[in-house]
Amino acid sequence: NAGVTQTPKFRVLKTGQSMTLLCAQDMNHEYMYWYRQDPGMGLRLIHYSVGEGTTAKGEVPDGYNVSRLKKQNFLLGLESAAPSQTSVYFCASRPPTGYRQPQHFGDGTRLSIL
Amino acid sequence: GNSVTQMEGPVTLSEEAFLTINCTYTATGYPSLFWYVQYPGEGLQLLLKATKADDKGSNKGFEATYRKETTSFHLEKGSVQVSDSAVYFCALMDQGGSEKLVFGKGTKLTVNP
Repeated sequence: NAGVTQTPKFRVLKTGQSMTLLCAQDMNHEYMYWYRQDPGMGLRLIHYSVGEGTTAKGEVPDGYNVSRLKKQNFLLGLESAAPSQTSVYFCASRPPTGYRQPQHFGDGTRLSIL
Repeated sequence: GNSVTQMEGPVTLSEEAFLTINCTYTATGYPSLFWYVQYPGEGLQLLLKATKADDKGSNKGFEATYRKETTSFHLEKGSVQVSDSAVYFCALMDQGGSEKLVFGKGTKLTVNP
């Protein structure tokens, strides 16, 4: 039972490089989310999706893009990485039914921008 | 907008001590409330939840009661163990179309033997 899987787990980039973080869930969940976690800041929502083909901005969307071409995958892209994007990134998913259902989280991707 | 405030850490306790981590919230309507736990090097795991006023969530010896009158959801455990060392996050889920989670900043707990 894989749940939410994030790829890669670690990555080091140089300023200006681009990369894509992949989130995959096998629970047939409609809703998916990308958060970043920074020391003393808790988790902040970057972008989210309420279904295949839909995306929306969260609290801190600048510098990131997302795509949800398939229901099970939610991609987070950094077009031109900046040191301020050094963080731990978490993906989460949840079903739409029973709106008070909790989100299920992946193990995170630790990203360092030099 | 919605917000969550939880006590700042770090919190250091001896094994078998009583734990309280305070959490208060600001929200419109009737949010659901959650406590998530993050063990070192891992993602967040749901610890417990409460979906309406006076509900008590409980799991693994932890408890929290949804208090609408004081807008609080304090986490408690009667006797902590070394294995409870982790970062604890209080969160609320709004009633909007996306059901986004709003997190507190987290409280790091260290339990010493």
